[in-house]
Amino acid sequence: ELKVEQNPLFLSMQEGKNYTIYCNYSTTSDRLYWYRQDPGKSLESLFVLLSNGAVKQEGRLMASLDTKARLSTLHITAAVHDLSATYFCAVSKAFGAGSYQLTFGKGTKLSVIP
Amino acid sequence: SAVISQKPSRDICQRGTSLTIQCQVDSQVTMMFWYRQQPGQSLTLIATANQGSEATYESGFVIDKFPISRPNLTFSTLTVSNMSPEDSSIYLCSATRSEGETQYFGPGTRLLVL
Repeated sequence: ELKVEQNPLFLSMQEGKNYTIYCNYSTTSDRLYWYRQDPGKSLESLFVLLSNGAVKQEGRLMASLDTKARLSTLHITAAVHDLSATYFCAVSKAFGAGSYQLTFGKGTKLSVIP
Repeated sequence: SAVISQKPSRDICQRGTSLTIQCQVDSQVTMMFWYRQQPGQSLTLIATANQGSEATYESGFVIDKFPISRPNLTFSTLTVSNMSPEDSSIYLCSATRSEGETQYFGPGTRLLVL
């Protein structure tokens, strides 16, 4: 059974600071997804990471994937209040039956305070 | 990208009744999924909606409780049958066109069962 663990689950950051959210998963997978969810809203896709060493950046967010360590990171640079949201990582199997299905982590609730 | 709409956006239902949720995608997609999300919690996959055949259910979810239809490549329905207060949740539809592509999520249906 594929398991996905995120930490921390709650994160309170000061504006301007940097921080990293970690996502560990339990079985071989080459596909890692990051989503953002604002309160009362649906999920917005942030990044799709499909190979070992993949790195993607959008604004103050940068995501990376290490398939050998079964670890993805979401790095936040110089946080601003608009980044306050819940961030989910999700993993799919590498191939075969169920390779479309996503298993989600519990989410990291980020609060950026002035 | 794909734009997904869901109907209804929210509903309050009586115990023992059933509710059908509709999911419409603005373009043809390969796979459609139904998730459940308790407020403040992560997403749990209910089933994969297969076009032209029976849905594939995850452990803990059964067809009698959550019948699903997918008559074509852009539309799916989820029925929550014989509802109890434990079924109160947010139900999300998602879709993707290919392996490795992100899943696009609908806005969700907020269900309260009294």
